[in-house]
This record gives sequence, structure tokens and C-alpha cells, in this order.
Amino acid sequence: SQTIHQWPATLVQPVGSPLSLECTVEGTSNPNLYWYRQAAGRGLQLLFYSVGIGQISSEVPQNLSASRPQDRQFILSSKKLLLSDSGFYLCAWSVGAGRGDTQYFGPGTRLTVL
Amino acid sequence: TQLLEQSPQFLSIQEGENLTVYCNSSSVFSSLQWYRQEPGEGPVLLVTVVTGGEVKKLKRLTFQFGDARKDSSLHITAAQPGDTGLYLCAGATGGGADGLTFGKGTHLIIQP
Repeated sequence: SQTIHQWPATLVQPVGSPLSLECTVEGTSNPNLYWYRQAAGRGLQLLFYSVGIGQISSEVPQNLSASRPQDRQFILSSKKLLLSDSGFYLCAWSVGAGRGDTQYFGPGTRLTVL
Repeated sequence: TQLLEQSPQFLSIQEGENLTVYCNSSSVFSSLQWYRQEPGEGPVLLVTVVTGGEVKKLKRLTFQFGDARKDSSLHITAAQPGDTGLYLCAGATGGGADGLTFGKGTHLIIQP
């Protein structure tokens, strides 16, 4: 069966510090991978998605970046965090030809920027 | 931009009552998913519906996809405290090339 892991589970970082969040998927090959941010009252915002190693598409302009160094690894990064980067970050995976296929979510990372 | 409106935004009822939450759009979706999310955790998939008029049951939960594939409802019978959570619907446009559109969710609280 497939499983998805995210770490860390929680993170408190000062403004201006770097960020690295990691997501890994087990039990499937060549998944589509996604990063979302969930803010209170605003729903899920798609940040990045990837259909393969080294292939990243950005949905919104921001100071975040994503990378996919391995088939089942997806990393969310920032060089300098802003207060507005606080939120709940979710990684998800799907299989299939399109991004509209059913997505399965990881446990999330709660990021607080102070 | 496709929008999914979920209603109500908040619902608090007593254990044992029935309830229905709605997910509406002016866009047609090729499929629609319902998720439940508990505080501090990721959303968990409950069901995917793909055919207009489709009804799926998951124990006390009944999901219906509208005939025109623009809306969906989730009905819970005899709600229990364990049903408490944020219910999210997400729709996919034809071919899935545009990804999933998520509603903002319905916060459901079942009081014992």
C-alpha cells in the first residue's frame, strides 16, 4: 500500500531564516506530487506540482521554491521566510495522466514564522 | 477560474441528528472528491464520484453527485462525535489538466 510522509511535523522559524520541508512517498512509482498551503478560512492553495524528476510547475508567485531530486521525494524551500509564510503545508500525491486525479495527502507540517 | 462553494461553513449539532452539507459550482466537473480533515492532520479521502447522479454510501455517510455534475452533497445519518471535522470537496475538470479545485470546507461539530 502507498504511504506518504512529511517532516518535520511542526516548525517554528524566525523571519528571514531558510526553510526546507520534505515529503516522500512509498509504494508507488512516478507519482504526481503537490505542495499546498492551508490557511485558516482560505482553503487549500496549490503552490507547486510535479509530474516527474526535475519537473516543477509553480502556481503562484512567492518566495518559495520546490525541487524533486528523486522520483518519490518532493522538497519545499525558501531562502528567507516571511511572516506570511506561516501556515499548514500539505504534500499530496496522485497517479494518472492529469492533475485532476484523486489526490492523497500527507500528515502536514505546521510552520510558524515569528 | 472554477469555484466550489461549500455550505454551511460551520455546523454544530447534537449526536444522533442528521445533516447535509453541500458543494456547489457553476462549472462542470469530471469527478469530485470528498475529504475529512481533523485538526493538525492532512485531509483523508472519503469518496470519489464520477458519474452524474451517482450515489455512494460509506456506512452512515451518503454522497451524491448532481445530474449535471456541477454539485454534490454529503448526508450523514445519526451523527456521532467521531464525525467531527472539516469536510472538503474538490472537483476536477475534464481531463484533469487543470488540477483539483477545492472548496473552503464545512466545519462540523457533533456534540455528545
